[in-house]
Amino acid sequence: QQQVKQSPQSLIVQKGGISIINCAYENTAFDYFPWYQQFPGKGPALLIAIRPDVSEKKEGRFTISFNKSAKQFSLHIMDSQPGDSATYFCAASGGTSYGKLTFGQGTILTVHP
Amino acid sequence: DGGITQSPKYLFRKEGQNVTLSCEQNLNHDAMYWYRQDPGQGLRLIYYSQIVNDFQKGDIAEGYSVSREKKESFPLTVTSAQKNPTAFYLCASVRRGGDTQYFGPGTRLTVL
Repeated sequence: QQQVKQSPQSLIVQKGGISIINCAYENTAFDYFPWYQQFPGKGPALLIAIRPDVSEKKEGRFTISFNKSAKQFSLHIMDSQPGDSATYFCAASGGTSYGKLTFGQGTILTVHP
Repeated sequence: DGGITQSPKYLFRKEGQNVTLSCEQNLNHDAMYWYRQDPGQGLRLIYYSQIVNDFQKGDIAEGYSVSREKKESFPLTVTSAQKNPTAFYLCASVRRGGDTQYFGPGTRLTVL
C-alpha cells in the first residue's frame, strides 16, 4: 500500500514538445506529492509539489495535474528543452509516514534538439 | 552557504571491508535520511532519523548501520554484511514540520 508506480521508464521528446510523466499511488493517507529532477551524478532537487486540495499547480513550464479519485498525478513539461534532459522522480508522503517519502522508479527524459 | 555535504564523492572498497559515508547539514534540519540508488530503480530508504540519538530502519537496512550523535551529522556505515554495496548513496534532510527533502550531492561506492 506504500507503493508509488511511475511511467514511462524512459521518454524521448523533441525540443518544443510536451513531456508527460505519470504516477499512481495506493495509500490514501498520502497528502504531499513532490516531483524531483536529477541530473547524472547529482542529488535530486525539488522541482514542484502539490497537495490534494488542488487539482493543478503550475510553475513556469512545469505543471502537476492531480486526480484524487483516481489516485494519480502527473508532471507536464511544456516546451521541453534539451536542458530538461534528466531523470524525474515522483514521490509521496503523509499519514503515518510523516516526513518519509516513497519514490517512484524514475523516468529518464531525453529531449532532442 | 547552507546545504548538505556528503563525502567522499567517490569511494572504493575491497570486499569484506566496512566503510563509512559522511553526511553533514547546516540547515538546522531535524530529520535526516539515507537512500540507495541503483540504475533503473528509484530511491530506496536505508535509515532515517527524526531526532538526535534516535533512528529507524527503512526498507533496506540490512547490512547498514547509522548513528545520530549530533543534529548536523548522520553517518552511514556500509558493513561487510551488505551483499551488493556498489551503488549511489544519497543523504537528505527535512526541517521540523516540513515536507521537502533536500538532498546532498551523493557518494558513489564501488566494491572491488
